[in-house]
Order: sequence, then structure tokens, then C-alpha cells
Amino acid sequence: EIVLTQSPATLSLSPGERVTLSCRASQSVSSYLDWHQQKPGQAPRLLIYDVSNRATGIPARFSGSGSGTDFTLTISSLEPEDFAVYYCQQRSNWPPITFGQGTRLEIK
Amino acid sequence: EVQLVESGGGLVQPGGSLRLSCAASGFSFSNYAMSWVRQAPGKGLEWVSAVTGSGDSTYYADSVKGRFTMSRDNSKRTLHLQMNSLRAEDTAVYYCARYDTPRCSGGSCYPGPFDIWGQGTMVTVSS
Repeated sequence: EIVLTQSPATLSLSPGERVTLSCRASQSVSSYLDWHQQKPGQAPRLLIYDVSNRATGIPARFSGSGSGTDFTLTISSLEPEDFAVYYCQQRSNWPPITFGQGTRLEIK
Repeated sequence: EVQLVESGGGLVQPGGSLRLSCAASGFSFSNYAMSWVRQAPGKGLEWVSAVTGSGDSTYYADSVKGRFTMSRDNSKRTLHLQMNSLRAEDTAVYYCARYDTPRCSGGSCYPGPFDIWGQGTMVTVSS
């Protein structure tokens, strides 16, 4: 089973700041790495798929990069609605599909 | 509108059973593999199971193998998760999710991303 480790667990930032979230895999996941956003009381929503492709309707301030075992999600300038929990997820070596433990983005 | 709507959650005693459903609309249901993903209170996301578009093949997490059965009725555009021998640790919000088109490269195919999620249904296992 591929283990995904996200860092940091929590980030406290202000609107307008740039943020980079990290996701590290225990073995290569090739390009089969996605990011999901989850707001309190809501279902997750696909943000980025195949490492760097924005899902439908996702603003350009969200971008993904990386390869192999190290991946990042960058938000270029935080908007108030971006404060949420972000999960990376791999579908390279499955079953099982695995998720990282999440990074919580809080308003400072 | 593409939509997934779960139902069937509730309170059940340890050792009991529950059947979840997920109604799909707005897309060609039989063309897509589907999955269940759960989230325990205050915790992260855990993949539970998956089924191919035809329903011929199913896959399960080790934590539910032998206790949960996933199925689909393409004529009714509905997904099901039969949960037996429930435990306290099965307490969670259960989401159904659609896999986007598979990615194939060099003779191997991989699942597509979870591009559509339902709103979830809560299952509580407690005496």
C-alpha cells in the first residue's frame, strides 16, 4: 500500500498570501496524483488531477506540480474561500486508493 | 446537472447491517466506474470499495473485505453498499464518488480521478 504523507498538518495564513502544500509518496505514483479540497460540512471537491491539471471550474490561482514521489499544491494568492482541508490522493498502485492525512489551511 | 445522492445511513448496533444507496443523474451511469469513500468523525478520507461500469468487478479495502458488498443496478442508475457485521470503527460519513475516464499508457490502465462526489450519508454504529 502506498502511503501519502502531507505536510504541514496545519497552516495559518492570511488572505493574499502564497501557500505551498506538500505531499510525499512512499513509492512512485507516476503522474496519478490528485488534490481534493474539503470545506467543513461539505463533500470533497476535485481541484487538481494528474499532478497539474485543474478540474472544471477551478480558479487559476491553484496549481499542482511534482513527479514520482514528491508533489506540491500551490495557491498563488489566498482568497477567504480557500481556507479548508486539502487532501492528496494516489491511484497508481491500487487497490487500495490512498489519501494523505490532509493539510488544514486556517485563517491567521 | 451531474449529481450523486446518497441515502440509507443511520444508527445501527454493532454486528448489525445497513444498505447504502447512491442515485446518479446527469451522465451515462454505466460508462463510469464508481467508488465509496468514507470519513470518520474528525478524520481523513478512506477509500472503501470500487466497482467497474459493467458491475463485473469489485474491489475492497482490507478493513471491509468480507463484510461489505458493493453492487450497481445500471438500469436504475443506482449504486449500493451492503454493510454487514458492522463495527464501531465503521462509523463515518460515506460518500459515493465517480471515477473519471481511465488513463491508459503502455498497455496498462489506471483509474481516473474522483471527479464527482455525493454529499454523503452518515452511518453510526453504536449500542
